[in-house]
Order: sequence, then structure tokens, then C-alpha cells
Amino acid sequence: GNSVTQMEGPVTLSEEAFLTINCTYTATGYPSLFWYVQYPGEGLQLLLKATKADDKGSNKGFEATYRKETTSFHLEKGSVQVSDSAVYFCALKIGNQFYFGTGTSLTVIP
Amino acid sequence: DAGVIQSPRHEVTEMGQEVTLRCKPISGHNSLFWYRQTMMRGLELLIYFNNNVPIDDSGMPEDRFSAKMPNASFSTLKIQPSEPRDSAVYFCASSFVEWSNQPQHFGDGTRLSIL
Repeated sequence: GNSVTQMEGPVTLSEEAFLTINCTYTATGYPSLFWYVQYPGEGLQLLLKATKADDKGSNKGFEATYRKETTSFHLEKGSVQVSDSAVYFCALKIGNQFYFGTGTSLTVIP
Repeated sequence: DAGVIQSPRHEVTEMGQEVTLRCKPISGHNSLFWYRQTMMRGLELLIYFNNNVPIDDSGMPEDRFSAKMPNASFSTLKIQPSEPRDSAVYFCASSFVEWSNQPQHFGDGTRLSIL
């Protein structure tokens, strides 16, 4: 079947630290991959996407590379800010279906 | 461009009352999704429409929940009768699913509290 597995949270980092949130997937075909961010009291917003192997999605200093050999799409940022505190969701799309991970809560402290 | 619009943003009502949540998808999108989010269960897909037709309603918790999409620009999720355990944030999302690179776009949600 199709599924997404994210690292368990919560994650707490100091400002300017390096961030990695792991995401691995299982898919029966060739999925597109997405990262969403959810700020408190808001809906999920698309952060970045990659639609084929070796694609790198990037936005707002965040990056993720579609790794077919390891079925992974890890989210990274070199220097986090307090404003990055949110819940991050990894998702895949295959056919007409979307599958979301359970979300990883990130808190950045000054 | 207008995003996905949900109403109301907040709803507080008493147990046993009927609740109707509304969603206007992004114009041109052909698929609409209803989700429920709670601390305990996270984000759950309730139902998914494609071209106004329900495709997968396996996530609808029970017969008290029903969803309709009478046209491409409007959908409702109804709970009747409501119960305290239905308290959650309900999200609507839309997409054009035939394009593989098209993500879902989410509304801001309806925060529902059943007393």
C-alpha cells in the first residue's frame, strides 16, 4: 500500500540550529512528494514539492530532495528561526489519492 | 486568487444539534476533500469528491455524518445529531488531481466545539 512515515516529535531547537525532519514513504508507483506547514490556528500550507526522483524542492530556506533509492524526502533548513515554529507534514500523491504523515511539531526557542 | 473558503470559522453548539460546515473550493479544481484534525487522531480524511461525485467515504465515522457536493463550487459536511466527541477542527481542501504535481490547497478550517 501507500503510506508516509515521519519522525516523531516534538522537536525543540535553538534559534539558528540546523533542522532535519525525516520522512520516508511507501508507494506502489511514482508519487509526487510534498511538505506542508501548519501554523497555530491555521490550515495546512504547501511549503515545497518534488515530482520526480532527484528533484529538490525549496522554499523559505527549507529544502527536501526526492530520493527514490532510499524512498525518502527529508526536510532540512540550515538555520531555523522562532517564526518556523509549527507542525510539519510530509505527504505523497499517487494517482488521485493523497497520503499524509502524522506531522512533526517543531518549536524554536530564542 | 481566493483560496479555499470555509465557514463558519468557529462553531459552538450543544450536543444533539445539527451542525453544517461549508466549503467553497478553488475555482477550476475538480476534487474536494474533507478532513478532521484532533490531538488524539491527527489528520483524518473523511471523504473525497471528484467531479462532484463522492469517491471514497470510508473515513466518515458513522451515519451521523453526511457530505454533499451539489456543484463544483460548494460542499457541505453535516453532523446530525452532534456529540461532544465530534469536537475537532474540520478542514476542506481542493485540488486538480489529474495533474500529478498539483498539491492540495487547504482552507483555514472550522473549529467545532460540541458542549
